[in-house]
Amino acid sequence: GAGVSQSPSNKVTEKGKDVELRCDPISGHTALYWYRQSLGQGLEFLIYFQGNSAPDKSGLPSDRFSAERTGGSVSTLTIQRTQQEDSAVYLCASSLTGAPREAEAFFGQGTRLTVV
Amino acid sequence: AQTVTQSQPEMSVQEAETVTLSCTYDTSESDYYLFWYKQPPSRQMILVIRQEAYKQQNATENRFSVNFQKAAKSFSLKISDSQLGDAAMYFCAYSNSGGGADGLTFGKGTHLIIQP
Repeated sequence: GAGVSQSPSNKVTEKGKDVELRCDPISGHTALYWYRQSLGQGLEFLIYFQGNSAPDKSGLPSDRFSAERTGGSVSTLTIQRTQQEDSAVYLCASSLTGAPREAEAFFGQGTRLTVV
Repeated sequence: AQTVTQSQPEMSVQEAETVTLSCTYDTSESDYYLFWYKQPPSRQMILVIRQEAYKQQNATENRFSVNFQKAAKSFSLKISDSQLGDAAMYFCAYSNSGGGADGLTFGKGTHLIIQP
């Protein structure tokens, strides 16, 4: 696609429900990133994929969070048993490679998650 | 761990004037990358300018330039001839040179207001 696409744009869910956020990166980009932006805060790095592999999952806030990437393309971020503190904008970015020297990260417009 | 600090939560400038946004960072690395991102209300993060730490020359992109002081660990953004379209949140970000695995470390942002 022309840019990084995220869906849904907005999601309201009840506390305790599971949610799945989707990121469709720019075609050909091997690196994919998830960030969380809480109200009035900067972006918090969650996880990085190189191809389908995530070498380090320690940035995920809790074991209720999981992420996967299939076919080196689409990625999903799943939050189980959502809590109110999970309310935030979740941003996805992709780049041609994972090396900052070579590639600019392009961001999607994010998913605004509200847990009520 | 690296940290990025933006000490100005909000800045206001008259249209056509010049404004400087401050950023300081802390790292023990000698080779790294610094970025300024713009986030308009659409939520999409847009890269404004990037600086590679091993380059002494300050980066410039049209009306945007940086003052990179490596010893002081300072990386300010100057916007010349401010335009209404420059109004947004601006985030300073850091990346180490080793690749994408650690993602970008962001400051908390500066809200830039352009007065017509």
